[in-house]
Amino acid sequence: LQLQESGPGLVKPSETLSLTCTVSGASISDTNYYWGWIRRPPGKGLEWIGSIYYSGSTFYTPSLKSRVSMSVDTSKNRFSLELTSVTAADTAVYYCARHIHRPVNAYNWFDPWGQGTLVTVSS
Amino acid sequence: QSVLTQPPSASGTPGQRVTISCSGSSSNIGGNTVNWYQQLPGTAPKLLIYSNNRRPSGVPDRFSGSKSGTSTSLAISGLQSEDEADYYCAAWDDSLNGVVFGGGTKLTVL
Repeated sequence: LQLQESGPGLVKPSETLSLTCTVSGASISDTNYYWGWIRRPPGKGLEWIGSIYYSGSTFYTPSLKSRVSMSVDTSKNRFSLELTSVTAADTAVYYCARHIHRPVNAYNWFDPWGQGTLVTVSS
Repeated sequence: QSVLTQPPSASGTPGQRVTISCSGSSSNIGGNTVNWYQQLPGTAPKLLIYSNNRRPSGVPDRFSGSKSGTSTSLAISGLQSEDEADYYCAAWDDSLNGVVFGGGTKLTVL
């Protein structure tokens, strides 16, 4: 199983950041998994952004919820992230990952991760 | 400010045993399982420990996790130079209805 992020490396302030994660070696429609986005700003730690199920069901971190949107394209085995009204604070390495999320079993982890893509917000 | 609290740095000499702590609250660590991730320099994070104390296939048994109440620890025994990395704890948070990470601990092998 491999995940690969793609998208522009430079986004202007106030514009929309758009990234896609292409999954190979497994079906994104597997009912056992969600698919997530996590970022790491320079000099800071990891921050979970949100996760999506193959059906389109999503959950997002509260601090970004008003600006985040995720979608899934099962025909192309990929899922996407959009973050609107970006500022310099959104500059980060963005990772996609398979999210094992089963509350009934208390399962909740990310594995594996994509290699990450640096997105810089600058004019 | 991260929801889970980790020391920013830790260090040890080769062969030594090092522990990294992570503290939270009843809404995250206290009521849910904890995972640990290792991020080697210039690479993506990798799952190191899941469900408090379970190791994925391929992770050496030098790495172990434990949990007590609202705190958790990662222990690394027989420290090696290749263990130099950033380590993150993470858990589900029932109040935030999402995943929370610790701020990360940079481990230096002296």
